Amino acid sequence: DGGITQSPKYLFRKEGQNVTLSCEQNLNHDAMYWYRQDPGQGLRLIYYSQIVNDFQKGDIAEGYSVSREKKESFPLTVTSAQKNPTAFYLCASSIDGRYEKLFFGSGTQLSVL
Amino acid sequence: SQQGEEDPQALSIQEGENATMNCSYKTSINNLQWYRQNSGRGLVHLILIRSNEREKHSGRLRVTLDTSKKSSSLLITASRAADTASYFCATVPTGGGNKLTFGTGTQLKVEL
Repeated sequence: DGGITQSPKYLFRKEGQNVTLSCEQNLNHDAMYWYRQDPGQGLRLIYYSQIVNDFQKGDIAEGYSVSREKKESFPLTVTSAQKNPTAFYLCASSIDGRYEKLFFGSGTQLSVL
Repeated sequence: SQQGEEDPQALSIQEGENATMNCSYKTSINNLQWYRQNSGRGLVHLILIRSNEREKHSGRLRVTLDTSKKSSSLLITASRAADTASYFCATVPTGGGNKLTFGTGTQLKVEL
């Protein structure tokens, strides 16, 4: 089945720790995105990548980092600089960078211990 | 920043009834999209309407767009319990630096 796989489903972070969320797609899409969702709110864009080896900051990039070494993979690292990391993280992809018809993964819930 | 605002925030109806959700946005757009999210899951794309379109249908879904009022509505006809979810509108503004910006969503509950 084609789609986007996010792992893990649940993740716990200790104080001062960096954690990495995985996102893999087999849709052959060029563009990939990371969104953050807080309870009762809409999605906010963290980072996006329209092509391999290139990525751009979104609206709330501080405290996060990404890489795009392969077309299929777009991991997100939540660094210790992100002071309020508890949220639901969603990875998405689209055929190109026009932000049309995004396909989403099932999300990772990150909590702080 | 939030571009779209959905109304109402929450909606509860009986199975078989129609559900209407509204979305208002602030700036000129290239297109407007509606997504559904089941609790604790990712979003699913429902329909995209471009700025030069006024109405679009997909199965039991009907979307309208009024660019003069900067608003859109999503109508779900003959609702089912399986339609229970949150519904988000999202817009791609015109101009450079286009990004998809989501509203805060409408929580729809369809009761048997």
